[in-house]
Amino acid sequence: DIQMTQSPSTLSASVGDRVIITCRASQGIGNWLIWYQQKPGKAPKLLIYKASTLENGVPSRFSGSGSGTEFTLTISSLQPDDFATYYCQQYNSYSWTFGQGTKVEIK
Amino acid sequence: EVQLVESGGGLVQPGGSLRLSCAASGFTVSTNYMAWVRQAPGKGLEWVSVIYSDGTTKYADSVKGRFTISRDNSRSTVSLQMNSLRAEDTAVYYCAKGRGNPGCYDYWGQGTLVTVSS
Repeated sequence: DIQMTQSPSTLSASVGDRVIITCRASQGIGNWLIWYQQKPGKAPKLLIYKASTLENGVPSRFSGSGSGTEFTLTISSLQPDDFATYYCQQYNSYSWTFGQGTKVEIK
Repeated sequence: EVQLVESGGGLVQPGGSLRLSCAASGFTVSTNYMAWVRQAPGKGLEWVSVIYSDGTTKYADSVKGRFTISRDNSRSTVSLQMNSLRAEDTAVYYCAKGRGNPGCYDYWGQGTLVTVSS
């Protein structure tokens, strides 16, 4: 299986900060990379697919980039609603695998 | 409006069985691929199983041979039959609707908790 590794595991930031989360794949996955946001007690929410395509309704402060093995999720100006855990997921090959998550906390 | 509502979770002893159901509305289950994804308490997400519109199914190695995914088009439901349950199967199980290339899920249910314990 392809291993997905996110960094950092936890990130402390303030409202208005620029936040960058990194996701690395153990082998090349093209641009078959998804980012989800999850809040406590809630289901994951699709933010970005195909590494950089923003899901309908997702604020433009979210952006994704990368291909192959290195990917990033950027939040250009952190808002109060963005404090959550973020997961990357590869869908290049079975078994579809997720990163361990990055928790974005209030500084 | 797309909605997914899971049911069937609960407490079960190791070695026991449980059947989860996902009631879908707002779209046609038969023409979309559907999956189950689980999350152990305080842990990350783990893909469990998928069923495609042609009936093809896939499973994670951790559940292969023990879990069976199925679909009832007439009732717009997707089910997960879980046998030989183990403590490590304890998790919230989410039903998810696929979109586009296999592996991308645009709608998720609220989840149902399965606890395997004696």
